[in-house]
Amino acid sequence: GAGVSQSPSNKVTEKGKDVELRCDPISGHTALYWYRQSLGQGLEFLIYFQGNSAPDKSGLPSDRFSAERTGGSVSTLTIQRTQQEDSAVYLCASSPAETQYFGPGTRLLVL
Amino acid sequence: TQLLEQSPQFLSIQEGENLTVYCNSSSVFSSLQWYRQEPGEGPVLLVTVVTGGEVKKLKRLTFQFGDARKDSSLHITAAQPGDTGLYLCAGVSGGSYIPTFGRGTSLIVHP
Repeated sequence: GAGVSQSPSNKVTEKGKDVELRCDPISGHTALYWYRQSLGQGLEFLIYFQGNSAPDKSGLPSDRFSAERTGGSVSTLTIQRTQQEDSAVYLCASSPAETQYFGPGTRLLVL
Repeated sequence: TQLLEQSPQFLSIQEGENLTVYCNSSSVFSSLQWYRQEPGEGPVLLVTVVTGGEVKKLKRLTFQFGDARKDSSLHITAAQPGDTGLYLCAGVSGGSYIPTFGRGTSLIVHP
């Protein structure tokens, strides 16, 4: 498939553990976004990558959250010492310009 | 912080009925997008409006951008069960690549 893929699709973890969420964007898309979607909430912006520029990390809620994008392609969102309030759907989107193409998301549940 | 207020939050209607969803803000946006999100999937872009007063039609869906570019509406004519989903609006301010999302309108169309 040519769409954005994310893995894992579901993740259950214990409070205090670290998790890594992966995003494979559409080939050739220079921009990549991470969002968090909690029940009843809109999409909360987390971080934005554009080409080789420094990422916009202004949406990361705490220093437990970090993300990297290797080779301008695959991105990994890492949450350290997970808390129950981190439970949400984490969505990745890639974009060639203005239109964003979203992946199916990773559903994270922190027990 | 720019906020996008969507109303109503929930809508449950019968097949064949018409409906309108609203997206309002006190901020001016250079463009506004509407997405539909189905359960277990990421949002899918329906339309982008960029000009104040602009009206776009997509089959039974009519999108309008307010003259002042602070609000937008989505009207669905003769709703069908396949229209069921979460409708999200997202605004982008000039010079920014990061959209602000509303919380969404959850629509259920009963056969």
